[in-house]
Amino acid sequence: GAGVSQTPSNKVTEKGKYVELRCDPISGHTALYWYRQSLGQGPEFLIYFQGTGAADDSGLPNDRFFAVRPEGSVSTLKIQRTERGDSAVYLCASSFRADTQYFGPGTRLTVL
Amino acid sequence: GNSVTQMEGPVTLSEEAFLTINCTYTATGYPSLFWYVQYPGEGLQLLLKATKADDKGSNKGFEATYRKETTSFHLEKGSVQVSDSAVYFCALSDFENTGKLIFGQGTTLQVKP
Repeated sequence: GAGVSQTPSNKVTEKGKYVELRCDPISGHTALYWYRQSLGQGPEFLIYFQGTGAADDSGLPNDRFFAVRPEGSVSTLKIQRTERGDSAVYLCASSFRADTQYFGPGTRLTVL
Repeated sequence: GNSVTQMEGPVTLSEEAFLTINCTYTATGYPSLFWYVQYPGEGLQLLLKATKADDKGSNKGFEATYRKETTSFHLEKGSVQVSDSAVYFCALSDFENTGKLIFGQGTTLQVKP
C-alpha cells in the first residue's frame, strides 16, 4: 500500500515568510508525528497527534510553529515568520495506535 | 530526561567485515528500542526493534539485543556489504505515553569493496 507522503519535497523561502508543509499518513493510521532533522543530527520530535487532537506539542520550538490535523488524516505544519535557523528537513511519521512509526521522505526547507 | 547516545562516526569498513555500532540510552520506565536506517537519498526506514529486556531484534543480517543491565542496544552484523552504506540511527520510544521517538545523532557507515 501507499506509504507516508509529504509535499512539497523541497521548499525555498525568504526570511520572514509563512510556509505550510503537508503530510499524508498511511490510511488508517491514527497517530501522526512531526520531527525536524538538522544536518548531521538525528530527528527531533515536534508534535504528536492522536486522531484530530494534538496530544503532545512539547517539541514545538516556539509559537511560530503550529500544526493541525482537522479530519484525523492529513496534517499541515505551519511556520510563521520563518528564520534561517528553521532550515532543516521536516519529517512526518504515522503509526497505528502509537506502534511502529513509518516515515515519509521529508520536506527540505531552506530559508534564505 | 530520556536520551540516546551513539558512537561517533563515520565508520569505514571493508566488505565482509564485522560491524558494531554502539548505542546506549537513558530512560525512565521501560522503553522500546529501535534502529532506523537512512540510505543515501532515501527516507528513514525501520531496520529492527525490541520491546522488552533481553529481546533480540533482527533483520537483513543485522541484530541488536535489548540489554537493560547495561542500558544498551548495540547494532551488529557479521559481514557487511557495500549496499549497507548508510546512516544508522538508534532510538527509543515510551509507548506508555505518546510513543514519540528520541533519536541518537546517527552513525555513518561506509563500506568499501
